[in-house]
Amino acid sequence: AQSVTQLDSQVPVFEEAPVELRCNYSSSVSVYLFWYVQYPNQGLQLLLKYLSGSTLVESINGFEAEFNKSQTSFHLRKPSVHISDTAEYFCAVSGARGYQKVTFGTGTKLQVIP
Amino acid sequence: EPEVTQTPSHQVTQMGQEVILRCVPISNHLYFYWYRQILGQKVEFLVSFYNNEISEKSEIFDDQFSVERPDGSNFTLKIRSTKLEDSAMYFCASSEWTGSYEQYFGPGTRLTVT
Repeated sequence: AQSVTQLDSQVPVFEEAPVELRCNYSSSVSVYLFWYVQYPNQGLQLLLKYLSGSTLVESINGFEAEFNKSQTSFHLRKPSVHISDTAEYFCAVSGARGYQKVTFGTGTKLQVIP
Repeated sequence: EPEVTQTPSHQVTQMGQEVILRCVPISNHLYFYWYRQILGQKVEFLVSFYNNEISEKSEIFDDQFSVERPDGSNFTLKIRSTKLEDSAMYFCASSEWTGSYEQYFGPGTRLTVT
């Protein structure tokens, strides 16, 4: 079984400032890790994923996350946020066998302040 | 780009009524899932489905719930006798049986039980 902890329920940050959203996971088996974003009144969109290989993964809109196996973390970072990044971000984990269920964290609401 | 679609976008029903939520997964995908998100809470796994049978289900997925792939393109979630606590956003997802293992989520159906 896997679990995900997102310690921060809300993160306010000024526009153009850097941000880090924290995520820690627990699992007894190898995992895949994901960050999903949910804009207000919309569905879930995959932001980025770690399956294997390079521990640093990047999204097309400037976010990056680093898989740290020793610290069981997968923190999400962006060097300079925009107003349009205001959304809820969910860290998620699944077993590394493809078809297994995804377990989500409780989410972090990123509020970008103009 | 292919996407998962769900209908209806919003369903209102009275307690005790049966509801069927519909999903059209991406056409070459083989694994199908339902998740739900109660307002203000995290996304929770309900059930996964492969080769016309349930692969895994959570403790939430009791006898009131059932899933079906009636015609090779649709994937449905039925709730036989809805309760107030079934009010939630229900997300359908699908994935290929290949190396990517990414689950593609639909936009969700908001179910309101009155």
